[in-house]
Amino acid sequence: GDSVTQMEGPVTLSEEAFLTINCTYTATGYPSLFWYVQYPGEGLQLLLKATKADDKGSNKGFEATYRKETTSFHLEKGSVQVSDSAVYFCALVYSSASKIIFGSGTRLSIRP
Amino acid sequence: KAGVTQTPRYLIKTRGQQVTLSCSPISGHRSVSWYQQTPGQGLQFLFEYFSETQRNKGNFPGRFSGRQFSNSRSEMNVSTLELGDSALYLCASSLDGGTGENEQFFGPGTRLTVL
Repeated sequence: GDSVTQMEGPVTLSEEAFLTINCTYTATGYPSLFWYVQYPGEGLQLLLKATKADDKGSNKGFEATYRKETTSFHLEKGSVQVSDSAVYFCALVYSSASKIIFGSGTRLSIRP
Repeated sequence: KAGVTQTPRYLIKTRGQQVTLSCSPISGHRSVSWYQQTPGQGLQFLFEYFSETQRNKGNFPGRFSGRQFSNSRSEMNVSTLELGDSALYLCASSLDGGTGENEQFFGPGTRLTVL
């Protein structure tokens, strides 16, 4: 079946460090891929998305490229800030269904 | 435009009781989905309602049910509560299902604790 695998957390970085959170997926079709972020005590917010292979999603300095050949959608940011501390979820969804399949989440902590 | 609202934000129940959670979607959104978030199982899809009909369903027992009203507001009900039902229940709304083109917007969740 379809699934999403994320790197284990927590990830702790210093401010201004480079961030990569790995995400790979298994899919029987051609899903759209998402990154969601969850700040403490809040629901999920869509961070970025890509709807087809080779698309790059970007938002707030974060980027991820839909790589069909490696079935990956790694999240990157060149210089993280303390305010980026949150839990990040990689996810996939098909255009024919509204069910989102989430990865397990990666907790990110940024030290000042 | 107001976001997705969920009530109540926190609930404490005891085993065997039942509970009803409410979700008001963004105005104009017709699809409402429910997710359960636990430390052990992560985020899992419960069900989706569109135009008062359940359109998709996850792998949860029949104790979990839901409904949607004509104004798109949705409720989910859990009967005969078990300790393992303790979780954050998230509701998400979208125009017409959370496909790749139609983003799902999430509410803040209802934190259910079963004692």
